[in-house]
Amino acid sequence: GAVVSQHPSWVICKSGTSVKIECRSLDFQATTMFWYRQFPKQSLMLMATSNEGSKATYEQGVEKDKFLINHASLTLSTLTVTSAHPEDSSFYICSASWFRRGGLNEQFFGPGTRLTVL
Amino acid sequence: AQTVTQSQPEMSVQEAETVTLSCTYDTSENNYYLFWYKQPPSRQMILVIRQEAYKQQNATENRFSVNFQKAAKSFSLKISDSQLGDTAMYFCAFMKSTGFQKLVFGTGTRLLVSP
Repeated sequence: GAVVSQHPSWVICKSGTSVKIECRSLDFQATTMFWYRQFPKQSLMLMATSNEGSKATYEQGVEKDKFLINHASLTLSTLTVTSAHPEDSSFYICSASWFRRGGLNEQFFGPGTRLTVL
Repeated sequence: AQTVTQSQPEMSVQEAETVTLSCTYDTSENNYYLFWYKQPPSRQMILVIRQEAYKQQNATENRFSVNFQKAAKSFSLKISDSQLGDTAMYFCAFMKSTGFQKLVFGTGTRLLVSP
């Protein structure tokens, strides 16, 4: 159980275009989804947290107008990289969790999406 | 704010040997969770083991065990009988047990298991 999928697994786009990445919880309802960015040989950097039906909370330094996050249902969150540029090329990972009052809200990770902007 | 430090960028071990990966953290919280995640070349994050801070007993999962020293804020991972499939990046992570639960990751240790 607790499977999270991402689509696409890799995408190449031209500079200036927008790219949408989907994150789905396949067998549970995710009250919270997290979006991470990972540069080669580096750790995961949290970009933003989204709760179903509300606006995403962005980490300091992350441009909310550049990285649009929507969490419209309990099984789907999307990350849209708007007007992508080569510096946005990276590996994007989502994770999902469900709320447990007083307990561990364990995160389950998707397989990641490799974005290359030409 | 919490911080997680992994001081070993790379480690090597031979198959069947034992290796220990180090992790220290800093927090003012009393209750929290600690994790070790494995990221193989596929880049899928895999939970290896978790520890709840209020539990004194060290967590174990088959060949993986931790040495949790709460006072020293240390959380090392021991891999016994290393296998080629253990080759991966290993990330130590911290999560508060109350309030907004987000993961704080260390910088990672690259482990290479050789035949």
